[in-house]
Amino acid sequence: GQNIDQPTEMTATEGAIVQINCTYQTSGFNGLFWYQQHAGEAPTFLSYNVLDGLEEKGRFSSFLSRSKGYSYLLLKELQMKDSASYLCAVGNSNYQLIWGAGTKLIIKP
Amino acid sequence: GAGVSQSPSNKVTEKGKDVELRCDPISGHTALYWYRQSLGQGLEFLIYFQGNSAPDKSGLPSDRFSAERTGGSVSTLTIQRTQQEDSAVYLCASSLGSGTETQYFGPGTRLLVL
Repeated sequence: GQNIDQPTEMTATEGAIVQINCTYQTSGFNGLFWYQQHAGEAPTFLSYNVLDGLEEKGRFSSFLSRSKGYSYLLLKELQMKDSASYLCAVGNSNYQLIWGAGTKLIIKP
Repeated sequence: GAGVSQSPSNKVTEKGKDVELRCDPISGHTALYWYRQSLGQGLEFLIYFQGNSAPDKSGLPSDRFSAERTGGSVSTLTIQRTQQEDSAVYLCASSLGSGTETQYFGPGTRLLVL
């Protein structure tokens, strides 16, 4: 089968750094996405990785290791507005996007 | 349009009634996706369109659910004889192409079946 695993919930402190992990098992691999979803809102695109390594975009970075079936999203200098769910999604060999259940990130002052 | 739009934003209906949900994708986007999201849950894939055809209907939960897309643009998702378990947020997304193109989501339709 195909599955995406993420922690259900994480808590971090304002100003700190948090790493959200995602492991995947899919039939083939055609890129990995991270989306952010605030409560009651639609998901919005954060990052896309197709090659191994780290992609940095401001306070957010995303890392991919294809050999390990592993990715993480790194959020630095956390702000209260970063409280949201973070969704990991992987494209498989049929070019379908397989979605994880999301990680709810709670930021405390 | 500038983004994906969906209507209605909220829909309350009685069990057994039919509902129709509409999605207007970003102009020029050939791929269109329907998802369902229950409260506090992840995205559940329903159906995907490439142009007007639906190569992947694998996620439709039952034969009460159907969807169509005309003119390569607007799509409607129809739920017949609604049940209380159909209550959820129905999200539509579009992308330039299929598969691993970035998907852009609409605001969703919140459906409540009483």
